[in-house]
Amino acid sequence: DIQLTQSPSFLSASVGDRVTITCRASQGISSYLAWYQQKPGKGPKLLIYAASTLQSGVPSRFSGSGSGTEFTLTISSLQPEDFATYYCQQLSSYPLTFGGGTKVEIK
Amino acid sequence: EVQLVESGGGLVQPGGSLRLSCAVSGFTFSDHYMDWVRQAPGKGLEWVGRTRNKANSYTTEYAASVKGRFTISRDDSKNSLYLQMNSLETEDTAVYYCARDFGPRGGTYYFDYWGQGTLVTVSS
Repeated sequence: DIQLTQSPSFLSASVGDRVTITCRASQGISSYLAWYQQKPGKGPKLLIYAASTLQSGVPSRFSGSGSGTEFTLTISSLQPEDFATYYCQQLSSYPLTFGGGTKVEIK
Repeated sequence: EVQLVESGGGLVQPGGSLRLSCAVSGFTFSDHYMDWVRQAPGKGLEWVGRTRNKANSYTTEYAASVKGRFTISRDDSKNSLYLQMNSLETEDTAVYYCARDFGPRGGTYYFDYWGQGTLVTVSS
């Protein structure tokens, strides 16, 4: 199985900050990676797919990069509605797997 | 508007069975692959399994942790997805989400819409 390691698992940031979350895969997954945002009591929301493609309707302050084994999700200027938990997911091979999550909280 | 609504969750004893449903609307269900994902209380996301569409013979994939115990099915005429869960264990306690796949994009399918989830509690 492909393991995804997200870092950090928790971060505290202020509105307007630039935030970067890293996702490392235990083996190469090309660009078969997605990023999701989840708020309490809700299903996840797709932000980025194919490592760097912004899903329709997602604000442009979100961006993704990387390929192979190392990926990043960047929020260029954190907004109040961005405080949530973020997950990466690999879709290169079965079983599909998720990273452990990064909780972004208000400083 | 795309909607996915899960139902059927509840309290069940270890060793018992439960069938979850996911009713969808706002898109052509028969065209899409569909997935189940679960989330134990306070934990991260875990993929459960996938069903492909009719064009791909409704074939399925499962996580090792549920293979042989859980079965994913669908009824395209009813716009509904199902998860039959047998031999339930306390470790199966989680919120269960259904998710729509879209694609292929660059050779794979991604999850673009999710339901709100239904809670399954396995306890004596």
